This record gives sequence, C-alpha cells and structure tokens, in this order.
Amino acid sequence: AQSVTQLDSQVPVFEEAPVELRCNYSSSVSVYLFWYVQYPNQGLQLLLKYLSGSTLVKGINGFEAEFNKSQTSFHLRKPSVHISDTAEYFCAVTRGSNYKLTFGKGTLLTVNP
Amino acid sequence: DAGVIQSPRHEVTEMGQEVTLRCKPISGHNSLFWYRQTMMRGLELLIYFNNNVPIDDSGMPEDRFSAKMPNASFSTLKIQPSEPRDSAVYFCASIGLSGSSGELFFGEGSRLTVL
Repeated sequence: AQSVTQLDSQVPVFEEAPVELRCNYSSSVSVYLFWYVQYPNQGLQLLLKYLSGSTLVKGINGFEAEFNKSQTSFHLRKPSVHISDTAEYFCAVTRGSNYKLTFGKGTLLTVNP
Repeated sequence: DAGVIQSPRHEVTEMGQEVTLRCKPISGHNSLFWYRQTMMRGLELLIYFNNNVPIDDSGMPEDRFSAKMPNASFSTLKIQPSEPRDSAVYFCASIGLSGSSGELFFGEGSRLTVL
C-alpha cells in the first residue's frame, strides 16, 4: 500500500516570499503524483500532476513541483506567493490508472501581508 | 459544464437518524469516488465505483454506511443510524478514465453534523 507524508501541517509566509510545501510518499511500485488545493468551504481542485516524463511539472497559479524518485519526494514550490494563495494543499498518490488516490494530511499555507 | 454536484451542502441531524447524501458526477465520467474529510483523519477514501459497479469499499467504516450508484448520473451515500463521530465533510469526485488527463473533479462537499 502507498502512503503520503506532508511534513508541515502549517506554513505561514509573507506575501511575495517563496514557499516550498514538502511531500514524501512510500510505494514499492511506480506512482502517479498530484497536488490539490482546497480553498475554504470548497472542494479540492487540481494544481498539477506527475504521470510520466519530465520530473519538473508546472501547474496553475504559478506553482511547480519536482518528482524525485530517489528521495521519494514531490515538493511543491512557488517563487512568490500572493494573499490569494492562502489555502490548504494536499499531496496525493496513486499506483495505477484507476486514480484511487491516497491523500496526505494537508498543509495549511497562510500568506500574510 | 456544471461540475460534480452534491446535496445537501449542509446537514444537521440527531444521533440515530438516517442521513442520505447525493452526488451527480460530471456527464461522461465513468468512475465515482466518495471521500470523507475530518480534522483528525484527513481525507479518507470510502468507496469507489467504476461504470456504476462498486470496485473497492474497503474504506467504508462499518455496516451503518452504504453507497449505491443506480445509474451513471447519480450516487448516494447513506448512514443509518448516524452517530456524532460521523460528523465530517463528505466529498464526491468523478473522473473519466478513457483518455483521462488524470484530474479527479471534486464536488463542494456535504458538511454533516450529527448531534
């Protein structure tokens, strides 16, 4: 079975600062990796995904993530955050193409002025 | 495209009552997932359907929970009888596996409070 660890439950940053949200996964087989964002009182929406190919993937709203197989990591980064990026971010993994996702516990990103 | 539609958005009920949550997936999507979100346990997959057939219900907490998908455009999650520990946000999500972009589309959730 696979699992996902998001090392930080909360990350406070100032506006225009860079941010990195950490995600590590465990799986004995190849995986697909995802980052989802959840704004207050809303469902989750996809930020970006890694299925295959280039290990650096770019998503919406200026976010990017790098798949590192040797480190079993998929950290999310943004060079300069905005107040509107305040939300909860979830890393997720699935082994196969059925998209049965296992989610991490989430990281609450709070961007302060 | 209307997206995944869930109802009710909020439900407050008393312990012992039956609760039914509803979901309409995106038209053309052939897989549907029910997730539960709590502060303590995060997002947990309860059950998923492929072409209206339940494939994996190992996440359903106990016999009080049941889910059905009578057709491609409708699914229900039922809790009977409900208990305070069932209080959570329940999300439905769908995906079209054929030629999929890999994006699971989520509804806005049903927030359940059991008193």
